[in-house]
Amino acid sequence: DAGVTQSPTHLIKTRGQQVTLRCSPKSGHDTVSWYQQALGQGPQFIFQYYEEEERQRGNFPDRFSGHQFPNYSSELNVNALLLGDSALYLCASSLQGYSYEQYFGPGTRLTVT
Amino acid sequence: QKEVEQNSGPLSVPEGAIASLNCTYSDRVSQSFFWYRQYSGKSPELIMSIYSNGDKEDGRFTAQLNKASQYVSLLIRDSQPSDSATYLCAAFFYNQGGKLIFGQGTELSVKP
Repeated sequence: DAGVTQSPTHLIKTRGQQVTLRCSPKSGHDTVSWYQQALGQGPQFIFQYYEEEERQRGNFPDRFSGHQFPNYSSELNVNALLLGDSALYLCASSLQGYSYEQYFGPGTRLTVT
Repeated sequence: QKEVEQNSGPLSVPEGAIASLNCTYSDRVSQSFFWYRQYSGKSPELIMSIYSNGDKEDGRFTAQLNKASQYVSLLIRDSQPSDSATYLCAAFFYNQGGKLIFGQGTELSVKP
């Protein structure tokens, strides 16, 4: 049973650049949620995708955008990177309408210099 | 008031003891609650889900939910050094269109 996968594992970018992170959900899941986790903090909800649409959004600026593909995989895009965007970016998958359990991928560590 | 709050750590217990982790939430409508374990440098791992008032046991773990007091707890019996990690409490907030909101986490250290 394939779990949630994310790529890349680590990424170093320069302030002002753009970045794309990728996520494939657990087999059988159709919903992908993205979180940002700063050091020493709990994950902060960015947004959730279901049926290729953004369904919910947290308190993040429009520089954060996403996409879901027909195979349920998803991308997170961040434009005009700031130093404060340095964090662990987590993708979690779930099955809509079944339960609210979310399963996380290994994460992408983004460092902005 | 934070939406989900956990008791500040770090919490240190001796091997074999019971570790008690606590969490309160602000939304009375929330019905679904989760505990995740996160080892240093790793992603969160779902270890318990609880939806009804009372206790739910799974091996050495017991989750307790009291909706009237808006309180969730996780007990770890016979704590092992391998239980040393950060434990995250999460609540599903229906009134915000359905978001999973996490507490800041409690770091647990089990000393041999």
